[in-house]
Amino acid sequence: AQSVTQLGSHVSVSEGALVLLRCNYSSSVPPYLFWYVQYPNQGLQLLLKYTTGATLVKGINGFEAEFKKSETSFHLTKPSAHMSDAAEYFCAVSGWMGDYKLSFGAGTTVTVRA
Amino acid sequence: GAVVSQHPSRVICKSGTSVKIECRSLDFQATTMFWYRQFPKKSLMLMATSNEGSKATYEQGVEKDKFLINHASLTLSTLTVTSAHPEDSSFYICSAKTSLTYEQYFGPGTRLTVT
Repeated sequence: AQSVTQLGSHVSVSEGALVLLRCNYSSSVPPYLFWYVQYPNQGLQLLLKYTTGATLVKGINGFEAEFKKSETSFHLTKPSAHMSDAAEYFCAVSGWMGDYKLSFGAGTTVTVRA
Repeated sequence: GAVVSQHPSRVICKSGTSVKIECRSLDFQATTMFWYRQFPKKSLMLMATSNEGSKATYEQGVEKDKFLINHASLTLSTLTVTSAHPEDSSFYICSAKTSLTYEQYFGPGTRLTVT
């Protein structure tokens, strides 16, 4: 079984500041980890994913995340926030076989201050 | 590539009626489709997993007789909410994947409002 905890339901940053969204996971098997972004009344867009290999993964829109097995974490960062980054962000985990069902965290709402 | 559509994007129906939501994979064959429900300001809750040609597998607590899922072809899955009630009002999102990959591709969602 897998589960995800996102620390902080709401993050507010100034434009140009670092964005840091925290995600910790629990998994009984090696996890596949994902970050998704959702804009209002829209579906989910994949930002980045970790499956195997390099633990620092880069995604779209300048985001990156680092898989740390010892800390069971997969935090998302962006060096410089842009107004267009205001959205809901979800961390998700799946196993590496079967239906690959996703378990989502509760989500973090990001607001960007001008 | 890997585009998933949903129809309709918004639907309003009266209490007691049924409503069907379609999920289509436009440029790939979706051997597995997933249906999620999202409450306002909440995360996505997996409702069911459907494999083409097979009966859907429902998550615990999801009423299979209320939320009918059909996955009759490799490009189409439907979710029918039967005898809808106001508490069924929600944002429903589907996703699809092929047999070759783990990655799910998400549709844009359908906003259901039951009056």
